[in-house]
Amino acid sequence: NAGVTQTPKFRVLKTGQSMTLLCAQDMNHEYMYWYRQDPGMGLRLIHYSVGEGTTAKGEVPDGYNVSRLKKQNFLLGLESAAPSQTSVYFCASSYPGNTIYFGEGSWLTVV
Amino acid sequence: AQSVTQPDIHITVSEGASLELRCNYSYGATPYLFWYVQSPGQGLQLLLKYFSGDTLVQDIKGFEAEFKRSQSSFNLRKPSVHWSDAAEYFCAVGISGGGADGLTFGKGTHLIIQP
Repeated sequence: NAGVTQTPKFRVLKTGQSMTLLCAQDMNHEYMYWYRQDPGMGLRLIHYSVGEGTTAKGEVPDGYNVSRLKKQNFLLGLESAAPSQTSVYFCASSYPGNTIYFGEGSWLTVV
Repeated sequence: AQSVTQPDIHITVSEGASLELRCNYSYGATPYLFWYVQSPGQGLQLLLKYFSGDTLVQDIKGFEAEFKRSQSSFNLRKPSVHWSDAAEYFCAVGISGGGADGLTFGKGTHLIIQP
């Protein structure tokens, strides 16, 4: 009964370091998403994917890259982390035209 | 592009009292509407959704939300709140129930329950 699983759950990075957040879903969903959540800002879409091998930019894509090599996985990369990327990151997935299900979040601090 | 406004950043309600959280949206066609709830340190859990049909949607925990096209609103209500309802509530609007470009979220309403 895993649903959407994100790893790692917590990470502290130094400015300029790189890292990858992994999202895995076991619901065979076509669509996957990465959001970030900041105080007073709600959730904002970073990138999304409508299927294996495809990705697209969301509202706040700068500083992030993504890949969807397998249908069940959606990776979010930070090539050179900045303090402005300190946030809580949520992965989500859905069938086309259906409810979006969220993971439990990944807390990232860039110092 | 669609947008969502949750006018109340914080709401404080006494336990046992009624609750209404406001949500207004802007979208050119019939929207797909959602309420999500987030407890501290947790992810977002779907509370209610409206895709079509009956404009009043309800869940088993006593929450209900009503889609009012004329007011572009999807307010969340509960007749009697419990301490466990304290959380952050997000209203969201989507195309086709969460189409290719995901959902647009409001900034959230933080619900505080007083004993």
